[in-house]
Amino acid sequence: KQEVTQIPAALSVPEGENLVLNCSFTDSAIYNLQWFRQDPGKGLTSLLLIQSSQREQTSGRLNASLDKSSGRSTLYIAASQPGDSATYLCASEVASGTYKYIFGTGTRLKVLA
Amino acid sequence: DAGVTQSPTHLIKTRGQQVTLRCSPKSGHDTVSWYQQALGQGPQFIFQYYEEEERQRGNFPDRFSGHQFPNYSSELNVNALLLGDSALYLCASTPGTENTEAFFGQGTRLTVV
Repeated sequence: KQEVTQIPAALSVPEGENLVLNCSFTDSAIYNLQWFRQDPGKGLTSLLLIQSSQREQTSGRLNASLDKSSGRSTLYIAASQPGDSATYLCASEVASGTYKYIFGTGTRLKVLA
Repeated sequence: DAGVTQSPTHLIKTRGQQVTLRCSPKSGHDTVSWYQQALGQGPQFIFQYYEEEERQRGNFPDRFSGHQFPNYSSELNVNALLLGDSALYLCASTPGTENTEAFFGQGTRLTVV
């Protein structure tokens, strides 16, 4: 059974810092690894999707990497801004009956001005 | 493209009542998955609909049921509501059931009192 863990659970940093969010999963037989952003009380906004054959994806100040063999993914945020404050969720897509996402519990990020 | 739309955005129900939540998938998407997100937790897979049939169900009781219409929109029904059903209910759509990027709606916040 796939389990996804995110560390740290919460993070508070000053504006301008570069930071790394970690995601680990127990079953390396994943198809995709997707990072989402969630603002309080809101839905999920897709940030980056890494397919199983890929090692990383980049979008603007965000870079996500995937190492299936070690069961890890990282989300790197460069030059953090107060607007980056949100909860970041990682989800691994598994094929168990059908394709579905298994989520971690998220990292709550607060960027201080 | 309106993306994934869910209605209503907020809902308050009394224990024992029944509720119906609605989801319209992103244009071109024919597969809808439903997730429940309790406060402070990651989303949990409820079930997935494709070709108007339930493809797979997560660890949720039969009180949770669904439907998909010919236009690919979907409903989530919950009977005999419990206080523990209070959560954010998220709908995700994909173009088919194969591994691909999921797009989420803004969710319906259900409060059971």
